[in-house]
Amino acid sequence: GNSVTQMEGPVTLSEEAFLTINCTYTATGYPSLFWYVQYPGEGLQLLLKATKADDKGSNKGFEATYRKETTSFHLEKGSVQVSDSAVYFCALSDATGGFKTIFGAGTRLFVKA
Amino acid sequence: DTGVSQDPRHKITKRGQNVTFRCDPISEHNRLYWYRQTLGQGPEFLTYFQNEAQLEKSRLLSDRFSAERPKGSFSTLEIQRTEQGDSAMYLCASSFVGRGYEQYFGPGTRLTVT
Repeated sequence: GNSVTQMEGPVTLSEEAFLTINCTYTATGYPSLFWYVQYPGEGLQLLLKATKADDKGSNKGFEATYRKETTSFHLEKGSVQVSDSAVYFCALSDATGGFKTIFGAGTRLFVKA
Repeated sequence: DTGVSQDPRHKITKRGQNVTFRCDPISEHNRLYWYRQTLGQGPEFLTYFQNEAQLEKSRLLSDRFSAERPKGSFSTLEIQRTEQGDSAMYLCASSFVGRGYEQYFGPGTRLTVT
């Protein structure tokens, strides 16, 4: 079945540091890939998405590229801010999975001033 | 577009009691999903509806759980004879068929069973 594996946290960075959170997936079909973010005390928000191979999703300075050959969708940001402190979830969804979203376990990011 | 709403936001109940949660999806969305999230984990799929039809249920959804979407709009999730292991955040999401697989999530209902 479909699954998502992402790097364990927590990840602690200083402000303006470069961020990478690794994510790999297993899927039988052709999934869409997502990164969701959960800020403290808030619900899940869609951060970015990519729907086919080589697509790059981007939003708020975050980027991720859909790599079919390595089945990866790593999240990157060039310069993190304290306000980026949150839990980040990699996820996938496709028709063969019944359209439900499969999430990774989440990676908690702490950014220090 | 007011987003997905859930009610209540928090529920504390004693073991053995029944609880019911409500989800109101984004108005034009025809798919509605329920997920459960425990501390330190990603959300896990429970069930989903297309309009009023319940199309899939996870093995996580024991016979104590039941979900309905009677008119294809709001949905309810009921847990009968709650157990401490049911303590979790229950998330609702909605989407529109034909606009990709993107789902919009509500704020969740946090259930604590004492």
